[in-house]
Amino acid sequence: NAGVTQTPKFRILKIGQSMTLQCTQDMNHNYMYWYRQDPGMGLKLIYYSVGAGITDKGEVPNGYNVSRSTTEDFPLRLELAAPSQTSVYFCASSSRGGVGVETQYFGPGTRLLVL
Amino acid sequence: QKEVEQDPGPLSVPEGAIVSLNCTYSNSAFQYFMWYRQYSRKGPELLMYTYSSGNKEDGRFTAQVDKSSKYISLFIRDSQPSDSATYLCAMRASGGGADGLTFGKGTHLIIQP
Repeated sequence: NAGVTQTPKFRILKIGQSMTLQCTQDMNHNYMYWYRQDPGMGLKLIYYSVGAGITDKGEVPNGYNVSRSTTEDFPLRLELAAPSQTSVYFCASSSRGGVGVETQYFGPGTRLLVL
Repeated sequence: QKEVEQDPGPLSVPEGAIVSLNCTYSNSAFQYFMWYRQYSRKGPELLMYTYSSGNKEDGRFTAQVDKSSKYISLFIRDSQPSDSATYLCAMRASGGGADGLTFGKGTHLIIQP
């Protein structure tokens, strides 16, 4: 049981380039999330998904896109990379949302540098 | 005013000391309060959670919530060097659907051997 895995671990992009950050979970969780964490800042929600085929915007969605074709995978797409997107990106999953506290399990993160 | 305020530290204490970490918040709708621990270059991991006001204890860790003051705390007793990490408070409203958590900036804690 690997939990939440993310690839790549680190990437350098040039301004205007595009890339996809991969996220996979093997816990059969319905809910998945993408956060970004800037230095000295808390995590901010980019997008989330309640199940395959369903996604919704979080607090900071501009410049990103997501898709959820399977329960396991939740890739994050950057179309035109900008220096403001330099950050550490965390994917997380949980068994359910709604009422009650569900544990969110986080991946190890992808460090992205846009130059 | 930010939704969740947390002193970023660093907070440096000697091994064995009692550590107090705190967050304040402004959104009275928050009902669920969590503490995540994040080691350097790792993802956050859930440490404690509390529903509404009250205390919760788990080993050396105690979480407290005072909703009337919009103030939450995490106490670590008999602190160990392995407790050195960044501690993030997080919270969400009750019945909040599948939206994510609102995090504080995190407090960087250093336990000196």
